[in-house]
Amino acid sequence: DTEVTQTPKHLVMGMTNKKSLKCEQHMGHRAMYWYKQKAKKPPELMFVYSYEKLSINESVPSRFSPECPNSSLLNLHLHALQPEDSALYLCASSQVGTDYGYTFGSGTRLTVV
Amino acid sequence: KQEVTQIPAALSVPEGENLVLNCSFTDSAIYNLQWFRQDPGKGLTSLLLIQSSQREQTSGRLNASLDKSSGRSTLYIAASQPGDSATYLCAVKLTYNTDKLIFGTGTRLQVFP
Repeated sequence: DTEVTQTPKHLVMGMTNKKSLKCEQHMGHRAMYWYKQKAKKPPELMFVYSYEKLSINESVPSRFSPECPNSSLLNLHLHALQPEDSALYLCASSQVGTDYGYTFGSGTRLTVV
Repeated sequence: KQEVTQIPAALSVPEGENLVLNCSFTDSAIYNLQWFRQDPGKGLTSLLLIQSSQREQTSGRLNASLDKSSGRSTLYIAASQPGDSATYLCAVKLTYNTDKLIFGTGTRLQVFP
């Protein structure tokens, strides 16, 4: 298995809702990432997990809450989002270390109404 | 601060042309550079990964070169096809922050029949 699987593919949520994005990989990668991408912009890093521990939080608002329950799974919990949070959310994984590239999932298109 | 720029921002060419996409980075302290393809509204697909010690990598009709000292990489696409239409992103992994990919601004490519 050489894929990163993200669910759901599309999500519409109200500003008072709570929802979660899920990301899964079975490549044995021990680093996992959340990126946010707005239209016609490059992806922006949000969070990094290394060996299931949060190693980087790029000053992301607390309405985004990441979780890494095990080495294969990464969640992003969403609560009280704003319309400007609408974007494509991308999950990625890699081996820990300097020589490795990243594998990205197909993303979750989030719309906040 | 590392900045990654891609030129041109957009490119429209007839089928069959050979293409060169450019990626420039300001800080040569990189471990590797990765080229990605992104179709509209989709995730990132890795095309080629070049380590800092390498000069080039090839995969099918794609060839990527790296000149770390001058801060440049090029992606060469031979005999372009309409199916090559997508946005192409380069990204560098820094030596002093290996958890963070720095993405370029992207080149939007359209190949018409």
